[in-house]
Amino acid sequence: DAKTTQPNSMESNEEEPVHLPCNHSTISGTDYIHWYRQLPSQGPEYVIHGLTSNVNNRMASLAIAEDRKSSTLILHRATLRDAAVYYCILRDPPSGNTGKLIFGQGTTLQVKP
Amino acid sequence: DTGVSQNPRHKITKRGQNVTFRCDPISEHNRLYWYRQTLGQGPEFLTYFQNEAQLEKSRLLSDRFSAERPKGSFSTLEIQRTEQGDSAMYLCATNPGQTTNEKLFFGSGTQLSVL
Repeated sequence: DAKTTQPNSMESNEEEPVHLPCNHSTISGTDYIHWYRQLPSQGPEYVIHGLTSNVNNRMASLAIAEDRKSSTLILHRATLRDAAVYYCILRDPPSGNTGKLIFGQGTTLQVKP
Repeated sequence: DTGVSQNPRHKITKRGQNVTFRCDPISEHNRLYWYRQTLGQGPEFLTYFQNEAQLEKSRLLSDRFSAERPKGSFSTLEIQRTEQGDSAMYLCATNPGQTTNEKLFFGSGTQLSVL
């Protein structure tokens, strides 16, 4: 599986935008970029995913570089409830057919009031 | 609440005892995954079921670990002769299984402490 690189931790102020970076220089043409987050004492939850184009949903936006070697998860207005570990994961649907996710260590986001 | 239910939420056991965890998936979710997560690490894949068939097992799943999914509904993960190194959060995740790019729905996990 292709690897991703994320900062170990980031801080943000409440109600400010947060940009969480992810590098994936070995990404293949069929890899989708998925983001999950894990709040304390809970299982991971899906945030967003994309292939080439930028994506928006009610939780966040995903900006994908033109060469696809990096991406950024954008939380438009951080709240205290957004404090979590954010995982950037590459997923290649055609291979293996299992649909499993391989997690790295993620970025721990702290949100200050 | 994602709809994936895991029981118990917490389990404390003595080294050498057997433990069993249960995962109840969202109705009609054909795929079920087990993960293990230790403190400060991301979840590690253990095994995967498509309906009742166990199709993939990680090398992390030693012979003391066994997982079942009878009738393709709930699943159990059993650890025999527990060791202190088995202390971790055990997470279950499911998805419909219609395509390989579907998101996974995770339960809240079972926290195992082996004394």
